[in-house]
Amino acid sequence: DIQMTQSPPSLSASIGDRVIITCRASQSISTYLDWYQQRPGKAPKLLIYSASSLQSGVPSRFSGSGSGTDFSLTISSLQPEDFAIYYCQQSYSIPITFGQGTRLEIK
Amino acid sequence: EMQLVESGGGLVQPGGSLRVSCAASGFIFRDYWMSWVRQAPGKGLEWVANIKQDGSEKYYVASVTGRFTISRDNANNSLYLQMNSLRAEDTAVYYCAKEEAWFDPWGQGTLVTVSS
Repeated sequence: DIQMTQSPPSLSASIGDRVIITCRASQSISTYLDWYQQRPGKAPKLLIYSASSLQSGVPSRFSGSGSGTDFSLTISSLQPEDFAIYYCQQSYSIPITFGQGTRLEIK
Repeated sequence: EMQLVESGGGLVQPGGSLRVSCAASGFIFRDYWMSWVRQAPGKGLEWVANIKQDGSEKYYVASVTGRFTISRDNANNSLYLQMNSLRAEDTAVYYCAKEEAWFDPWGQGTLVTVSS
């Protein structure tokens, strides 16, 4: 199974900050990497697919990059609604696996 | 608008069975792979199973293989997960999701609680 490791596990930041969350795969997954946001009590929401493609309707302050084993999600200027848990996910091989999540909290 | 609505969750005793369902609308259901993803209380996301457009291929995470069965009814735009021999560790919110490598959209989830 491909292991997905996110860092940091949690992060405190302020409104307007630039934030970077990283995700590392245990083997190369090309660009089969997606990012999700989950707010409390809600279903996950797709933000970025194929490592760097912005899902329709997602604000442009979100961006993704990387290929192979190392990936990142950047939020350029944090807004109040961005405080949530973020997950990466690989679809390169079965079983599909997720990172453990990064909790983004208000400082 | 694409929409997925899960149902069928509830409380079941260890060793028992339950079937959860997912009703799809707003997209051509028969054209897509579909998945179930679960989330134990306070924990992260775990992919459970997926099924090809015509149902001819199905894949499962190791922890549910032999106990869970994914199926679909394309005539009724519905996805199912039959769960047998349930264990306490299967307690989770179960989400269905349309799959294109990535998952979008997701349903609101249905809670399955395995407890005596």
